[in-house]
Amino acid sequence: EAQVTQNPRYLITVTGKKLTVTCSQNMNHEYMSWYRQDPGLGLRQIYYSMNVEVTDKGDVPEGYKVSRKEKRNFPLILESPSPNQTSLYFCASIRGGSDTQYFGPGTRLTVL
Amino acid sequence: RKEVEQDPGPFNVPEGATVAFNCTYSNSASQSFFWYRQDCRKEPKLLMSVYSSGNEDGRFTAQLNRASQYISLLIRDSKLSDSATYLCVVGRYNFNKFYFGSGTKLNVKP
Repeated sequence: EAQVTQNPRYLITVTGKKLTVTCSQNMNHEYMSWYRQDPGLGLRQIYYSMNVEVTDKGDVPEGYKVSRKEKRNFPLILESPSPNQTSLYFCASIRGGSDTQYFGPGTRLTVL
Repeated sequence: RKEVEQDPGPFNVPEGATVAFNCTYSNSASQSFFWYRQDCRKEPKLLMSVYSSGNEDGRFTAQLNRASQYISLLIRDSKLSDSATYLCVVGRYNFNKFYFGSGTKLNVKP
């Protein structure tokens, strides 16, 4: 089944404790992206990647890192999480030449 | 100013009603336009892309007005299952960057 998976789905952590949210897609898509969703603000793009080893900032990259060492994986790294990073996070992928985004199920992160 | 603006609603309509949503975008360089549907904090799913010529998919019709920089979605014969939040999405920079509206909530009542 074609899909985007994210892990963990739910995470409660404390300020300053490094964490990684994984994202994997099995559709051989070139483009992948991370978003956060907050009430009243909609989804905002954090980082995106056009292909392996090619990443770029979205609109809200501060406090986040990403890497794209393999085509299928695009992990989101929070080196020192803070409470303002409490949010619902979505990973998405797009096949090259298309414009339809396929989203993962979301990761609900709470930073205390 | 937000890149994409939508009326948050909620729109409360009876089954069978026709309902229309509008969305405005601020940057005239925007290249691609979409409506996504999101159920109760689940992942967004593409409802339809929006083209300048307008497009229809069953009960759903989308229109794009580039001159006025707005996008519309019309839902005819509303079903209970149409209850969801509808997200307006605009893409720029050769589909690299996407801007989402905060969504319009639709409640279809029996």
